[in-house]
Amino acid sequence: DQQVKQNSPSLSVQEGRISILNCDYTNSMFDYFLWYKKYPAEGPTFLISISSIKDKNEDGRFTVFLNKSAKHLSLHIVPSQPGDSAVYFCAANGRYNFNKFYFGSGTKLNVKP
Amino acid sequence: DAGVIQSPRHEVTEMGQEVTLRCKPISGHDYLFWYRQTMMRGLELLIYFNNNVPIDDSGMPEDRFSAKMPNASFSTLKIQPSEPRDSAVYFCASSPRQGLGNEQFFGPGTRLTVL
Repeated sequence: DQQVKQNSPSLSVQEGRISILNCDYTNSMFDYFLWYKKYPAEGPTFLISISSIKDKNEDGRFTVFLNKSAKHLSLHIVPSQPGDSAVYFCAANGRYNFNKFYFGSGTKLNVKP
Repeated sequence: DAGVIQSPRHEVTEMGQEVTLRCKPISGHDYLFWYRQTMMRGLELLIYFNNNVPIDDSGMPEDRFSAKMPNASFSTLKIQPSEPRDSAVYFCASSPRQGLGNEQFFGPGTRLTVL
């Protein structure tokens, strides 16, 4: 029973346009949410995070939005670049167990030149 | 500073054989995690250690799986006997501290294929 879900296995976007990756969760006890990026043959690397006390966090071209009432978060990439093509994982954890991250199954983003 | 190191990068074995995956965490990191990635379930936490002590092994799928951390710079994940359904990418990650949203640093993974 996955507590973090990414329902879109893949997404294709034109270079320069916006990429929107979505993530849903079921556990209302989650306090922190993270996005990881993974290139082929490499491990995931941390991209951006957001605390449950916020609804938006921005870092350059990357913005994460959190809607707690809907138990939904999204990652926006603007403008998208071919180098952004990767698998993106959503993850969450809670204060009851800081170290236990729950990951989604990932969304493969393809940014076309 | 070298990142998390995992070996081997690829492992192909036959059903019933013992498989040992190895991990060297980032120096100074107190937490070490083993994950498994599959198409269906994404990244699943198998077990994690704090200061070489196993803290949570609730994600270990069966008794065939075991993990050890004999010292701060080395950990192993062993599968004995291996089965085809164990085929997956296994990641090791480490972290310097605990806390909400604390970033974990991942190794490149070991792709295991059990025939």
